[in-house]
Amino acid sequence: DVKVTQSSRYLVKRTGEKVFLECVQDMDHENMFWYRQDPGLGLRLIYFSYDVKMKEKGDIPEGYSVSREKKERFSLILESASTNQTSMYLCASSRGGGNSPLHFGNGTRLTVT
Amino acid sequence: AQSVSQHNHHVILSEAASLELGCNYSYGGTVNLFWYVQYPGQHLQLLLKYFSGDPLVKGIKGFEAEFIKSKFSFNLRKPSVQWSDTAEYFCAVNPYNQGGKLIFGQGTELSVKP
Repeated sequence: DVKVTQSSRYLVKRTGEKVFLECVQDMDHENMFWYRQDPGLGLRLIYFSYDVKMKEKGDIPEGYSVSREKKERFSLILESASTNQTSMYLCASSRGGGNSPLHFGNGTRLTVT
Repeated sequence: AQSVSQHNHHVILSEAASLELGCNYSYGGTVNLFWYVQYPGQHLQLLLKYFSGDPLVKGIKGFEAEFIKSKFSFNLRKPSVQWSDTAEYFCAVNPYNQGGKLIFGQGTELSVKP
């Protein structure tokens, strides 16, 4: 069974801090994704990656960056956290191609104070 | 812009009632379609998917969905809901030429009263 592990379940950070959210998948999936989930807005794509060292912007990339140095790991970076980045962050992975379902981690609930 | 719309934000039903959750998308080309479910405190799980062929697809736990291409719709149905179906349901679309990227709807929260 595919396992997508997010390093933290809950995080509390201060405004202006640099924040790292880590995600690891164990199924050799090519694709990895970062979404944020907010009530009434559903899931919005921040960044995704189809391969090591490759990244593409999603719908809301402003204020975020990503890193994918190894196939199994995809990191989301908040360069300078702001209160409007308080949210639930979901990592997902899938095999290459468009008809492969996404497998999600449990999420990281980030609060920026 | 490509978008996915779920018409109902919150649905409240009694056990044994029938369920239909609406989903419409705006992309005009070929798409792959998904429904995901998120039970309280759990991660999102795949409920069912449509890629091609029979437009009526069956998923886990008695759920099914029908793809109507002319209406750009992919509605989720279940004949008789149970209290354990209480969850949030998300429709998602993968435009055919965009690799594995999924565009999600806003979600519908389903509450089933025992």
